[in-house]
Amino acid sequence: SQQGEEDPQALSIQEGENATMNCSYKTSINNLQWYRQNSGRGLVHLILIRSNEREKHSGRLRVTLDTSKKSSSLLITASRAADTASYFCATAPGGGADGLTFGKGTHLIIQP
Amino acid sequence: EAGVVQSPRYKIIEKKQPVAFWCNPISGHNTLYWYLQNLGQGPELLIRYENEEAVDDSQLPKDRFSAERLKGVDSTLKIQPAELGDSAVYLCASSFHTDTQYFGPGTRLTVL
Repeated sequence: SQQGEEDPQALSIQEGENATMNCSYKTSINNLQWYRQNSGRGLVHLILIRSNEREKHSGRLRVTLDTSKKSSSLLITASRAADTASYFCATAPGGGADGLTFGKGTHLIIQP
Repeated sequence: EAGVVQSPRYKIIEKKQPVAFWCNPISGHNTLYWYLQNLGQGPELLIRYENEEAVDDSQLPKDRFSAERLKGVDSTLKIQPAELGDSAVYLCASSFHTDTQYFGPGTRLTVL
């Protein structure tokens, strides 16, 4: 079963613009992660934010987490054509090696 | 460092036939996961191994699916017999005492 729901399901923007994707989840979590999946490829880990953190940055990525609303957002600044991919949020109820529960993903298209 | 290796990358079989997928995790990673990803959806956990022990197989349809991880390294996921609804991408991931999972490219299964 899917834990998270990403919003929007699809997003198309111009290169150089910022892209924001949202994720909502249902149960309490230890951490929330974002992954990227290029067409026909495996998933690549982007960033992890723990339940006691509110914001985290990594390069052009900024992630926020609001545990009271059970929601997270992923911001990609200064988008590039290579950012075209599907983005998934994934939650882990406990820490460590728990299996992840993924959302349905946001398909991001960057127009050159 | 080599990533997670999966084979075959693609498999086409007729319904009721058996099929097997193989995964070689990143060297030294003690935790191995099998996920199923349907078209347009996020991955869903099938089974998680800690070394050679299956510690979470609650989502594995045990009437037709089986998995093994002999010697705590490589793993095989089998379906017998395959059904039309089994058409999907089967992803393998591994981790080592961290929350971050590293995914292989997946095996795309088509059941005719």
